[in-house]
Formats: sequence, structure tokens, C-alpha cells
Amino acid sequence: GQNIDQPTEMTATEGAIVQINCTYQTSGFNGLFWYQQHAGEAPTFLSYNVLDGLEEKGRFSSFLSRSKGYSYLLLKELQMKDSASYLCAAMDSNYQLIWGAGTKLIIKP
Amino acid sequence: DTAVSQTPKYLVTQMGNDKSIKCEQNLGHDTMYWYKQDSKKFLKIMFSYNNKELIINETVPNRFSPKSPDKAHLNLHINSLELGDSAVYFCASSQDTGTGANVLTFGAGSRLTVL
Repeated sequence: GQNIDQPTEMTATEGAIVQINCTYQTSGFNGLFWYQQHAGEAPTFLSYNVLDGLEEKGRFSSFLSRSKGYSYLLLKELQMKDSASYLCAAMDSNYQLIWGAGTKLIIKP
Repeated sequence: DTAVSQTPKYLVTQMGNDKSIKCEQNLGHDTMYWYKQDSKKFLKIMFSYNNKELIINETVPNRFSPKSPDKAHLNLHINSLELGDSAVYFCASSQDTGTGANVLTFGAGSRLTVL
């Protein structure tokens, strides 16, 4: 079956760096997405990886290893506003998204 | 201007009632979706329409019926509401389907509570 695994919850300190991991198993693969969802709000797009390697976008970076079925989202210089859930989603061979349950990130001062 | 707008934002109703949620997008996207997010926060695709045509219809009770009068609108009608229907329903749109970099833009969500 198709599956996405990511930690349920993580805690980090303001100003620090945190890495949120995601492993996926899909029938075929057409890319890996990360979305951010603040409590009570809609998910918003953060990043898309389809090739192996690291994509950097400001304080946020996303990494993909297709051979390992693995991705991570790296958040640097954490701010209180980064407290949110981070959703990993993999696109299968039919271009359908398989979603993880999200990682709730708690930032402490 | 809100890109994807859905109404109502909150809906509290009794079991057995029928209710509708409306969604409109002004992004000029060809594809629209309905997702359900339950208490465990999993996002589950329910339906997807491309240019008013149904392209994804996941295993959803037939009490749920989507309607797309045009490619900018996708409404969701739910008959005979049950307690298990309580969830947040998200409408979303994307430029196309069948491509990898298919970024979704979500509406703010409609929280349905069935008593």
C-alpha cells in the first residue's frame, strides 16, 4: 500500500534549527511536497522536490532522496510564527497526492 | 481578493439534515478538489474536477455529491448527515492535473459539526 510517515510532534527553540523527516512508499513517484498549516487555517505550499538533492528557499530547505524514499524539511533561525503543522505529501504515478498526518512543530522561546 | 473562498466557515447541524458547502476560485485554475481533514489531521481527497468534469471520486458515501456548474465553482452537498461527517472540509484548486509540480491552493476550510 501507499504510505507516508512523519513524526507526530517536535519541539524546538526560537533561533535554532529543526529538521522534520518524512519517509514515503508510493506506487510510482512524481514528486514530494511540503505544506505548512497553522492551527485553524488552510495548508499553504512550501516546497516541491522531484530530483535528488537540496532545494533552498530562504530559511526553509527541502531535501529528497528518491532511492531511500526519504525527504526532510529544514527550518533555520526558527521564529515563533513557525509554530505550525508541516504536511508531507508524495505524488504517485497517477499524479495523486498521498498525505502524511503532519508534524506539529512547537517553538519555545 | 481571496483566491479560493468557501462558505460557510462554520456549520453546526443535527444528524439527518442536508447541508451544502460552496467553493469558488478566482485563479483561473482548471482543477478543483474537495478534501476532508479529520481530527487526526489526515487530509483525504474526496473529489476532483477538471474543467467541470469529475476525474477523482474516492470511496466516499453517496450521501456526498459534488457539483461543478463551471470551472471556477465546486460545491459539495451532503445528505442525511451523520456524526462521523464532522470534520473540516477544504476546497482547493490547481493549475492542472497530471503534472508533477501541481501546487494546490486551499480555501480556509469549512468546519462541520454534526450533533
